[in-house]
Amino acid sequence: SYELTQPLSVSVALGQTASITCGGDNIGRINVHWYQQKPGQAPVLVMYKDSNRPSGIPERFSGSNSGNTATLTIHRAQAGDEADYFCQVWDSSTVVFGGGTKVTVL
Amino acid sequence: QVQLVQSGAEVKKPGAAVNVSCKSSGYPFTSHYIHWVRQVPGQGLEWMGVIYPRGGDTTYAQRFQGRVTMTRDTSSSTLYMEFSSLRSEDTAIYYCARGPSTGWYYFEDWGQGTPVTVSS
Repeated sequence: SYELTQPLSVSVALGQTASITCGGDNIGRINVHWYQQKPGQAPVLVMYKDSNRPSGIPERFSGSNSGNTATLTIHRAQAGDEADYFCQVWDSSTVVFGGGTKVTVL
Repeated sequence: QVQLVQSGAEVKKPGAAVNVSCKSSGYPFTSHYIHWVRQVPGQGLEWMGVIYPRGGDTTYAQRFQGRVTMTRDTSSSTLYMEFSSLRSEDTAIYYCARGPSTGWYYFEDWGQGTPVTVSS
């Protein structure tokens, strides 16, 4: 089955840029979606189909996908961006999630 | 606005079944797939399957085949997920999540989650 690999944690200084990667075999050929989850809350969609932001998601969030890596980038990181982030794809008739990345804003 | 309101926490014994409900509102009920996703405490997300409310068609993740059943009641815009033969490792939060009207498999809106504890 298809596997998605995310770093366990990413740290970013307040106001700086954080990049969260999601690795998969030729992932650039399929669409990747991203979710933010804060403690005790349900996940929230922050990026769909690689680089599309749902309404209400700040422009500081951007996404890209090429080759073997998809990336969610948080520009000008804020304290409120501290959360777990999960990537997700649809492949071979099943939904696959990455293991999640904890983003810490210093 | 779109709302998915799930039933409350459950405690079950091993071998039992649990039925989680998800009442939807704020959008055309039959136009969006509803998925079920679970999250074991402190771990990642795991997709269980999907139901298309218009006809009731379902697709289940292979690892849950035979234990999960997803249904819907169009008269009350409510979805149900029954999960049987519960084991301690099924202790998790169970979410319903709404897909887009295009039918793509990602999740625009989520219920608040239903904690299910399996313990003897």
